[in-house]
Amino acid sequence: SQELEQSPQSLIVQEGKNLTINCTSSKTLYGLYWYKQKYGEGLIFLMMLQKGGEEKSHEKITAKLDEKKQQSSLHITASQPSHAGIYLCGAESTTSGTYKYIFGTGTRLKVLA
Amino acid sequence: KAGVTQTPRYLIKTRGQQVTLSCSPISGHRSVSWYQQTPGQGLQFLFEYFSETQRNKGNFPGRFSGRQFSNSRSEMNVSTLELGDSALYLCASSLGTRAVTQYFGPGTRLTVL
Repeated sequence: SQELEQSPQSLIVQEGKNLTINCTSSKTLYGLYWYKQKYGEGLIFLMMLQKGGEEKSHEKITAKLDEKKQQSSLHITASQPSHAGIYLCGAESTTSGTYKYIFGTGTRLKVLA
Repeated sequence: KAGVTQTPRYLIKTRGQQVTLSCSPISGHRSVSWYQQTPGQGLQFLFEYFSETQRNKGNFPGRFSGRQFSNSRSEMNVSTLELGDSALYLCASSLGTRAVTQYFGPGTRLTVL
């Protein structure tokens, strides 16, 4: 079955620094989603990528889906304390004609002021 | 537009009891999905409902069930609670199924004693 691996598992950066979070799939991705979660709360939708090579940006966050559609990266420029939280990638996984939604293990980000 | 709402937000039950969680999707959304999030297993897909029909189911025992009403509101039921059912239960709504953005509610924190 398809799995999503995220790296790193946790990240502590100084405010103002750039950082990158990766999400790697064992199979081709057909739709990759990035979410942010504050501890114990719901997920906030950030971006959705569908096409190989696609790149989207929102404020200081940029997400890319590589050409082979098996890896996505989330890049934060000039990080701020408000960026702290857990970042999760998600995708649809198809097996034997049925599908389900799967998520990566998450990357916990802490930004030091 | 109001977001996804979940009730109750917190719940404490004892082993063997049953529990019902409720989810009201964003107005106009017909698909509701349920997830279980635990520190050990991460975010796992429970099931998805669309137009009152279960479209998909994750790998959870039959103690976990759900339903969707004609107004798209959904309920999830867990019978014969076990300690391992302690988790954050999240629901997400979307306009349709497959390759669509899901919007998550704040979750229900269930503690089983």
